[in-house]
Amino acid sequence: SAVISQKPSRDICQRGTSLTIQCQVDSQVTMMFWYRQQPGQSLTLIATANQGSEATYESGFVIDKFPISRPNLTFSTLTVSNMSPEDSSIYLCSTREGPIYNEQFFGPGTRLTVL
Amino acid sequence: TQLLEQSPQFLSIQEGENLTVYCNSSSVFSSLQWYRQEPGEGPVLLVTVVTGGEVKKLKRLTFQFGDARKDSSLHITAAQPGDTGLYLCAGALSGGSNYKLTFGKGTLLTVNP
Repeated sequence: SAVISQKPSRDICQRGTSLTIQCQVDSQVTMMFWYRQQPGQSLTLIATANQGSEATYESGFVIDKFPISRPNLTFSTLTVSNMSPEDSSIYLCSTREGPIYNEQFFGPGTRLTVL
Repeated sequence: TQLLEQSPQFLSIQEGENLTVYCNSSSVFSSLQWYRQEPGEGPVLLVTVVTGGEVKKLKRLTFQFGDARKDSSLHITAAQPGDTGLYLCAGALSGGSNYKLTFGKGTLLTVNP
């Protein structure tokens, strides 16, 4: 399976600022996903990022708040904009490995705390 | 409304005990996966089940997919401290997008030595 790394692993940010999270994969992948994992909650899909096209956002998530870049087949970024304490969460990127059964493999996550 | 309900939410047991965690839904899934997540790490895929009634074994872990493909269980025999972690079930809805996964909230397992 692909090896996925994320930067930063954790950060503490002030309200109103923005943070960009990087996701690097060691092989070329078509689909990359960004999830949010809030304390005590399940993983929630924010958006799907395909190279060469605009990201597809899930209900409740908008591009102005979570802009995503996908410049090539091994890299993606997620920006959390104009942060508030409610954005405190773990942010995870993943790739899809199994074309039939949609097995996904995850990066280690970025733990974000907004003060 | 949570599409995939996991139970129990928390489980603390002694080393050597057996346990079962459940993942239930009123919806049908074309496939269902179990992941384990340790603190500071992303979820790691354990198994994928796709056929109703299917049983898969991974060492001391036994996974079962319900006949109607609406539920699944994970049974651990003789639990070890290394089994400690958050167990997540996730499924791809039958007839839905073939790349979206729906996750349960997870079962946080602690195995005490």
